Amino acid sequence: KQEVTQIPAALSVPEGENLVLNCSFTDSAIYNLQWFRQDPGKGLTSLLLIQSSQREQTSGRLNASLDKSSGRSTLYIAASQPGDSATYLCAVRENTGFQKLVFGTGTRLLVSP
Amino acid sequence: DGGITQSPKYLFRKEGQNVTLSCEQNLNHDAMYWYRQDPGQGLRLIYYSQIVNDFQKGDIAEGYSVSREKKESFPLTVTSAQKNPTAFYLCASNPSGGGHNEQFFGPGTRLTVL
Repeated sequence: KQEVTQIPAALSVPEGENLVLNCSFTDSAIYNLQWFRQDPGKGLTSLLLIQSSQREQTSGRLNASLDKSSGRSTLYIAASQPGDSATYLCAVRENTGFQKLVFGTGTRLLVSP
Repeated sequence: DGGITQSPKYLFRKEGQNVTLSCEQNLNHDAMYWYRQDPGQGLRLIYYSQIVNDFQKGDIAEGYSVSREKKESFPLTVTSAQKNPTAFYLCASNPSGGGHNEQFFGPGTRLTVL
């Protein structure tokens, strides 16, 4: 059974710092990995999608990497801003059965001015 | 603007009542999904539909029902058989064509049992 773990569960940093969020998964039989942002009481906003054949994807100040063989992904946020404060979720798309997304429980990020 | 809409934003249910959550998308996506989110837990799949007039149970379908009569609509009914329905419900969609596609989410409905 696929399990997705995100560490740390919460992170507090001052504005301007570069930071890394971690995601690990137990089964490498995946189509892709997706990183989402969720603000309190809101839906999920897709940030980056990495296909299983890719190593990384970049969007603005965000860079996500994928090492499928070791079951790890990182989300790098450069020059953090207070507006980056949110919960960040990673999810892997299984390539068996439902082909469903399996989610981690998220990292809650607080960026202080 | 293309996107996914969910209504209502907040919903209150009395014990023994059935309630229906609406999900509509204008992205022309074939596949639609319902998830439940509880504090401290990852999202869990309730039902999904890959095409009109077809849907499949997810991991936690007991006490829920769905229909898919139109491509753009995938309503979820929370029945009185669902013993702990208080949660945040999220609808999602993606294009057809297998599992390589990016999934998009609606703004969610918060259901509270009184």
